[in-house]
Amino acid sequence: EAGVTQFPSHSVIEKGQTVTLRCDPISGHDNLYWYRRVMGKEIKFLLHFVKESKQDESGMPNNRFLAERTGGTYSTLKVQPAELEDSGVYFCASSLGWGTYNEQFFGPGTRLTVL
Amino acid sequence: SQQGEEDPQALSIQEGENATMNCSYKTSINNLQWYRQNSGRGLVHLILIRSNEREKHSGRLRVTLDTSKKSSSLLITASRAADTASYFCATIGGSNYKLTFGKGTLLTVNP
Repeated sequence: EAGVTQFPSHSVIEKGQTVTLRCDPISGHDNLYWYRRVMGKEIKFLLHFVKESKQDESGMPNNRFLAERTGGTYSTLKVQPAELEDSGVYFCASSLGWGTYNEQFFGPGTRLTVL
Repeated sequence: SQQGEEDPQALSIQEGENATMNCSYKTSINNLQWYRQNSGRGLVHLILIRSNEREKHSGRLRVTLDTSKKSSSLLITASRAADTASYFCATIGGSNYKLTFGKGTLLTVNP
């Protein structure tokens, strides 16, 4: 069974440009999450999808970030325009259900570097 | 907000030795989980301990949880070079899905 995949693995862009990250969850997982780790800080929750609906987007830093999950399968996270402080590793995770005891399976992450 | 904080930030040991990492958090939790991240890889779930449990084992891993002190420890016995990775604790509280991570402990096991 394929795990959570993310594309690209690494992206280097200049400040002001747009970048779109993609996450493919484990097949059949209705729940999809985005987290990110900026340099030297903790991994922080960004948002949670249940199928195509945003269950919780309280962790999104500002309106330059837009996440979508059309059709309830893969998800994209767009940063427009990118700023220097957006550099970090963006992780995607998925789970079958949601709730305290549902394990979240993480992808390898996308390392974003904004110059 | 609750936050897991690992201690130490970095740990270097010799193969065969035991490694102990600690984690503290600030608010009430439903469970606490430990994850490992190898360089360039995703986060791998190691073990989950529920708030009403005090100790849990999985292979060479032993996790303890002390809710009165709001702390947990992860013990890796008979460490191997392949255990070299960053280890994170993460808690889930009232939201039931939002993981709150600490900054992690970088463990280096020297052959």
